[in-house]
Amino acid sequence: DAKTTQPTSMDCAEGRAANLPCNHSTISGNEYVYWYRQIHSQGPQYIIHGLKNNETNEMASLIITEDRKSSTLILPHATLRDTAVYYCIVRVEGGGSNYKLTFGKGTLLTVNP
Amino acid sequence: NAGVMQNPRHLVRRRGQEARLRCSPMKGHSHVYWYRQLPEEGLKFMVYLQKENIIDESGMPKERFSAEFPKEGPSILRIQQVVRGDSAAYFCASSPSTTAGNTIYFGEGSWLTVV
Repeated sequence: DAKTTQPTSMDCAEGRAANLPCNHSTISGNEYVYWYRQIHSQGPQYIIHGLKNNETNEMASLIITEDRKSSTLILPHATLRDTAVYYCIVRVEGGGSNYKLTFGKGTLLTVNP
Repeated sequence: NAGVMQNPRHLVRRRGQEARLRCSPMKGHSHVYWYRQLPEEGLKFMVYLQKENIIDESGMPKERFSAEFPKEGPSILRIQQVVRGDSAAYFCASSPSTTAGNTIYFGEGSWLTVV
């Protein structure tokens, strides 16, 4: 079973920042937080991952709380093409028994014009 | 660097036929994962393979389904005697060696329709 909790759905206005929360209160010290998204009828797309420091790349920023029990994915300027289901997943990087990704239901983000 | 390549993208099979789905991992990736997504449902793990070895097949149905990742060539997911309930999107993913950070990347999927 997925070890994260996400809202079922969220709405965001085009051009505004989309902030997607995720709770992972049982995360272990060696587990990373990964974010993927799935646009309708496409394969899951890797977005970003992090351990405890905030991370940023060309797609998004990942903010992880100091106690690591929750995180927020930020899309700084959402576009209509960002409408997708966003998955927050915890996983050990570099091996171990938790090598695979276990997907929950994710958050359906709808970006509105 | 090409991504994970899956083919065919769409496949139609009659009940009782065999379906073969192929997956070429990203260059330098030696780990392959297969996932299935039934209509209106989530992504479910099926099997995890390394070259010539099945590491975890805990998500594979007990019958009719098999997977391989030979030393040379793509990974193959094989479904024998397909039934209508096998209609789904099948996603392949790959990752590099676990010693160097192993972010998993997905292909665009193969859509199987059983008629």
